[in-house]
Amino acid sequence: KQEVTQIPAALSVPEGENLVLNCSFTDSAIYNLQWFRQDPGKGLTSLLLIQSSQREQTSGRLNASLDKSSGRSTLYIAASQPGDSATYLCAVWDTDKLIFGTGTRLQVFP
Amino acid sequence: DTAVSQTPKYLVTQMGNDKSIKCEQNLGHDTMYWYKQDSKKFLKIMFSYNNKELIINETVPNRFSPKSPDKAHLNLHINSLELGDSAVYFCASSRQGKGGPQHFGDGTRLSIL
Repeated sequence: KQEVTQIPAALSVPEGENLVLNCSFTDSAIYNLQWFRQDPGKGLTSLLLIQSSQREQTSGRLNASLDKSSGRSTLYIAASQPGDSATYLCAVWDTDKLIFGTGTRLQVFP
Repeated sequence: DTAVSQTPKYLVTQMGNDKSIKCEQNLGHDTMYWYKQDSKKFLKIMFSYNNKELIINETVPNRFSPKSPDKAHLNLHINSLELGDSAVYFCASSRQGKGGPQHFGDGTRLSIL
């Protein structure tokens, strides 16, 4: 049974820092991996999608990598800003559905 | 203008009642989903529909009955509400059934008294 874990559970950093969020999954037979952002009281916003055959994807200050064989993905956020404060969720597409991680709550303070 | 919209945003009701949540997407997507996010913020799929047809029923109690009158709508009806049903329910849609990026609504916060 696929399980997705995210570390750390919470992170508080000053503005301008580069940071890394980690995601691990137990079964490497995934179709793709997706990173989402959730703001309080809001739904999820898709940030990056990495196909199982890809190693990384980039969008602006965000870079996500995927190492399928070791069951890991990282989300790198460059030059963090207060507006990046949110909960970040990774999810793997496993057979027929998305399985979500436990989330990392990020706070970036000025 | 909203891509995936859910109503109501908040729902407060008593145990034992029956309630419905509506979801509509204007993205032209074929697949729609219902997710439940519990008090620990863990998000888990409940149902998915593709072109009005049920694809996934993730061992959800049969008090929960999804209905898709057309591929732009997926409603969720809940009978005999229980305390454990308190959660945030999210609707989502995607163009392709497998692996496509999903677009989420803002959620319906259900509180059972």
